[in-house]
Amino acid sequence: GAVVSQHPSRVICKSGTSVKIECRSLDFQATTMFWYRQFPKQSLMLMATSNEGSKATYEQGVEKDKFLINHASLTLSTLTVTSAHPEDSSFYICSAKGGESHYEQYFGPGTRLTVT
Amino acid sequence: GQNIDQPTEMTATEGAIVQINCTYQTSGFNGLFWYQQHAGEAPTFLSYNVLDGLEEKGRFSSFLSRSKGYSYLLLKELQMKDSASYLCVLMDSNYQLIWGAGTKLIIKP
Repeated sequence: GAVVSQHPSRVICKSGTSVKIECRSLDFQATTMFWYRQFPKQSLMLMATSNEGSKATYEQGVEKDKFLINHASLTLSTLTVTSAHPEDSSFYICSAKGGESHYEQYFGPGTRLTVT
Repeated sequence: GQNIDQPTEMTATEGAIVQINCTYQTSGFNGLFWYQQHAGEAPTFLSYNVLDGLEEKGRFSSFLSRSKGYSYLLLKELQMKDSASYLCVLMDSNYQLIWGAGTKLIIKP
C-alpha cells in the first residue's frame, strides 16, 4: 500500500524559533497533501490543503503567515511553524492523496511538536 | 452546515461485541469513513460506506443509512489491542473530510 512518511517524529523547540516538518509520499505521486493538527483528546482539525505547484488553501482561522506550507514536488510537502509559541504545541499529521480517487487518503505517522 | 455526533467514551469486555454509533447532518454527502486512532499515532483507515447497508471486513463491520443520517461500527471478538479512539468521518459534497470528535473505546479483560 501507499506509504507516507513524516520527519521529524518528535521535536522540541524554544519559543520564538521556527520548525519545519516534512511530509513525503514514498511510493506514489501525491497531487494533494493535507495538513492536520490535533490537540490532546480532540479530533483532527484540517489546517490547509496543498496542491503541487500552487499555493496552499488554508482553513478559516489558520494563519498562513505563521504556518507556511510548500508543496514543491509531487512527493514532498513541508509545513513550517514560524515564531512558535507554547500554544502551537500539538500533534501535526499530514496526509496525501494521489490520482483521481477522492477517498484514498494516506496518513503520515505524525509529528509531536513541543514548544517550551 | 455539517455536524457529527458520536459517544465520547465506551467500555467493553475482551471477547465481546461493541457497536459505536454515529449520526450526522450534512447538505452534501460523498461517503462516510471510520478510522481507528491509537494514542499518539495517526489515524488508520477501517472502512468506507457510500451506499446503504452493511460492509463486513473481518472482525469489523460498518453500516450506513443515508436517509437516517446514521452509521455504526461493529467490532466483534474484542481484543485488548482494539482499545483506541474510533473516528466517524464524513466526506462532504466537495470531497472534504469532516472529522467527528471520536469515541474512546476501553477494553477490559
